[in-house]
Amino acid sequence: VQLEQSGAEVKKPGESLRISCRASGYTFTKFWITWVRQMPGKGLEWMGRIDPTDSFTNYSPSFQGHVSVSVDTSINTAYLQWSSLKASDTAMYYCARVITVAGFYYFDQWGQGTLVTVSS
Amino acid sequence: SYELSQPLSVSVALGQTAIITCGGLNIGVKVVHWYQQKPGQAPVLVMFRDNNRPSGIPERFSGSNSGKTATLTISGAQAGDEADYYCQVWDNKIDVFGGGTKLTVL
Repeated sequence: VQLEQSGAEVKKPGESLRISCRASGYTFTKFWITWVRQMPGKGLEWMGRIDPTDSFTNYSPSFQGHVSVSVDTSINTAYLQWSSLKASDTAMYYCARVITVAGFYYFDQWGQGTLVTVSS
Repeated sequence: SYELSQPLSVSVALGQTAIITCGGLNIGVKVVHWYQQKPGQAPVLVMFRDNNRPSGIPERFSGSNSGKTATLTISGAQAGDEADYYCQVWDNKIDVFGGGTKLTVL
């Protein structure tokens, strides 16, 4: 099982961005994908998750409306997207595979992270 | 929204037992998972469903959850265990992380 994330990005405020998470070694549609933010020197923050089967999503209220997650099952890839970046979006972003058991969720495999820097 | 509280830091002497706590309202009825994150690395799952170790995680890692506190215990702490540790629960369709605990092995 492997989650390979796209490379580091440097963007200006107001620009759009899409980062990716390509899965391999398992059946992509059998597991949700989640996204987690880690701001510099800070802890982990859950952003949202997506079911690759039907693209159903849940978002943290803290991120709802500012980011969107999507998938392309033809290439086993999940995406995290911004339409208008802010300097406060500067962070490391991780994707992770979600294990769902009896109605609760945890994250058993993680990508290596994508560093996003937003600066004018 | 649900909140999890962790001590900012825990120190343990080499070979001794480290206890990292995670508190939350009625956390004993929730299912808690734990992640280890070493500097510059992605998090790694070290405990799931309160007290289950993933394959490859040493037996010195154990977990419990009752009442108001979930606990990750590292028996015989090693230098390689020095890392940040995060607890996580699912609550009302949302996943929540604790603020993280920095474990220092002296």
